[in-house]
Amino acid sequence: NAGVTQTPKFQVLKTGQSMTLQCAQDMNHNSMYWYRQDPGMGLRLIYYSASEGTTDKGEVPNGYNVSRLNKREFSLRLESAAPSQTSVYFCASSSRTGGITEAFFGQGTRLTVV
Amino acid sequence: RKEVEQDPGPFNVPEGATVAFNCTYSNSASQSFFWYRQDCRKEPKLLMSVYSSGNEDGRFTAQLNRASQYISLLIRDSKLSDSATYLCVVTGPGTASKLTFGTGTRLQVTL
Repeated sequence: NAGVTQTPKFQVLKTGQSMTLQCAQDMNHNSMYWYRQDPGMGLRLIYYSASEGTTDKGEVPNGYNVSRLNKREFSLRLESAAPSQTSVYFCASSSRTGGITEAFFGQGTRLTVV
Repeated sequence: RKEVEQDPGPFNVPEGATVAFNCTYSNSASQSFFWYRQDCRKEPKLLMSVYSSGNEDGRFTAQLNRASQYISLLIRDSKLSDSATYLCVVTGPGTASKLTFGTGTRLQVTL
């Protein structure tokens, strides 16, 4: 009953370092998302992928890249981390059934950039 | 104007009270509407979908007003365990639409 799995759960980076956040879902969902959540800002969409092979920018894409490796996996890469990217990152996937979309979230990655 | 707007609260209510949250959205073509619940330092989880005719799930009632572009969540007989942040979520038209979140409304239920 895994659902959406994100790794790592916690990470501390130095400014300028790079890293990739991994996300996998086992629900055969077409759409996957990366959000960041900052205090008082709610969840803001970084990138999303409506289907395998497609990706689109969200509200705050600068400083990030994504890869939809296959239907299950959607990774988020920080090429050169900045303190402004300190945040909690959530991956989500969704299905559309009967006209209704329901999203399921991973447990989050708490990233600190020093 | 933000796509989805909510009063951040906090709403502090005693146990047993009835509390209501509203959420407004800017895109009149929005298609699906949801309320998610998020506990402190946890991932959001679906509380309920919101249908045009309104819907109820136990102590929770959700309403959609397309003409005025807002949705509401009513919680009756509040429990301590209802303390959380409630997120309004809207999707656009089309099968590939993204989910847009409001900033959330924090509810604190007290004894």
